[in-house]
Amino acid sequence: AQSVTQPDIHITVSEGASLELRCNYSYGATPYLFWYVQSPGQGLQLLLKYFSGDTLVQGIKGFEAEFKRSQSSFNLRKPSVHWSDAAEYFCAVGGDAGNMLTFGGGTRLMVKP
Amino acid sequence: DTEVTQTPKHLVMGMTNKKSLKCEQHMGHRAMYWYKQKAKKPPELMFVYSYEKLSINESVPSRFSPECPNSSLLNLHLHALQPEDSALYLCASSRPGTGAPNQPQHFGDGTRLSIL
Repeated sequence: AQSVTQPDIHITVSEGASLELRCNYSYGATPYLFWYVQSPGQGLQLLLKYFSGDTLVQGIKGFEAEFKRSQSSFNLRKPSVHWSDAAEYFCAVGGDAGNMLTFGGGTRLMVKP
Repeated sequence: DTEVTQTPKHLVMGMTNKKSLKCEQHMGHRAMYWYKQKAKKPPELMFVYSYEKLSINESVPSRFSPECPNSSLLNLHLHALQPEDSALYLCASSRPGTGAPNQPQHFGDGTRLSIL
């Protein structure tokens, strides 16, 4: 069965600092990986996805993520965080069968002025 | 702006009421989903429709009844809900993944449901 772990429940960074959110997955075959962001009172917005090819993927809002098969990781990064990035971030893995997504527990990002 | 529209945004209902949540998308997606999300938790899958047919029911109680009247609409009928059913209900859509790479799901902003 597939699973996703986001080791950090909360992260606080200063505005302008760099950010890395960790995601580890467990999946037997080639995973399809996603990062979503959820602002308070809103739905989930897709930041980026990895299906195949280049292991460094670029997303919206200046985010990028790197797929590392050897480490079963798909960490999200941003070089300079803005106050508007404060939100909940979910990593998710999907498989070949149907459209099932498995979400990690989420990481709440707080941004200090 | 989200491409998946959910109505109403907020709903308060008593345990004996009957209400419906609505979801609409015009992206041509043929897979649609209902999720339940409790505070500070990830979304939990409830139902999946593929080509307007129910393909996955994650052992959801019968007081939740989904309906997909056409390829653009998804409803969730509610009856005799319990206080623990209070949550954010999210709808999502995607291209069907069968036989093709798993496609990203696009989410609506949800309906915040409170059961009195």
